[in-house]
Amino acid sequence: SQQGEEDPQALSIQEGENATMNCSYKTSINNLQWYRQNSGRGLVHLILIRSNEREKHSGRLRVTLDTSKKSSSLLITASRAADTASYFCATVPPGTGGFKTIFGAGTRLFVKA
Amino acid sequence: EAGVAQSPRYKIIEKRQSVAFWCNPISGHATLYWYQQILGQGPKLLIQFQNNGVVDDSQLPKDRFSAERLKGVDSTLKIQPAKLEDSAVYLCASTGGDRNQETQYFGPGTRLLVL
Repeated sequence: SQQGEEDPQALSIQEGENATMNCSYKTSINNLQWYRQNSGRGLVHLILIRSNEREKHSGRLRVTLDTSKKSSSLLITASRAADTASYFCATVPPGTGGFKTIFGAGTRLFVKA
Repeated sequence: EAGVAQSPRYKIIEKRQSVAFWCNPISGHATLYWYQQILGQGPKLLIQFQNNGVVDDSQLPKDRFSAERLKGVDSTLKIQPAKLEDSAVYLCASTGGDRNQETQYFGPGTRLLVL
């Protein structure tokens, strides 16, 4: 079953604008990860945030985690056409050996040049 | 380091035929995953190996799907017989090594079309 649900399902913005994607999940987690998938390719890991962290940065990416609301957001600042891709959140519930990852359905981001 | 390798990249078969996919994980990665990704959806875990043992195969349709990782390195996923609803991208991923046990490294996937 897919635990994470991304919102919105699709997002279209102009180059230079910021893009925000949200993820909600159902059970408690060890960590939450964001992955990117370019069309026709495999997934690429972007960032991992642990359940005891509230915010994390990596380059133009900013991830927040609110475990009380069971939600996370991914912010991409100053977007580029190359950021066009699908973005998935993935959760690792406790009690699964630590490595069972459950992916959401993804947000499709289109950045117009 | 070399990434996760998968072959073939594309496969077209007719329903009721058999098909096999191959995956070679990153060297030294003990954990290997097979995912099914249907168009417009996120990846769904089919099976997870730790070395050559199965950790989780709860979502593998065992009446038609099988997977093995005999020597704890590369792995094959087989579908026999295929159904129309098996059309999807089959992704292989691995984790392990010293640095990060949680980040999954994905191969390019095998795109299967069942006619």
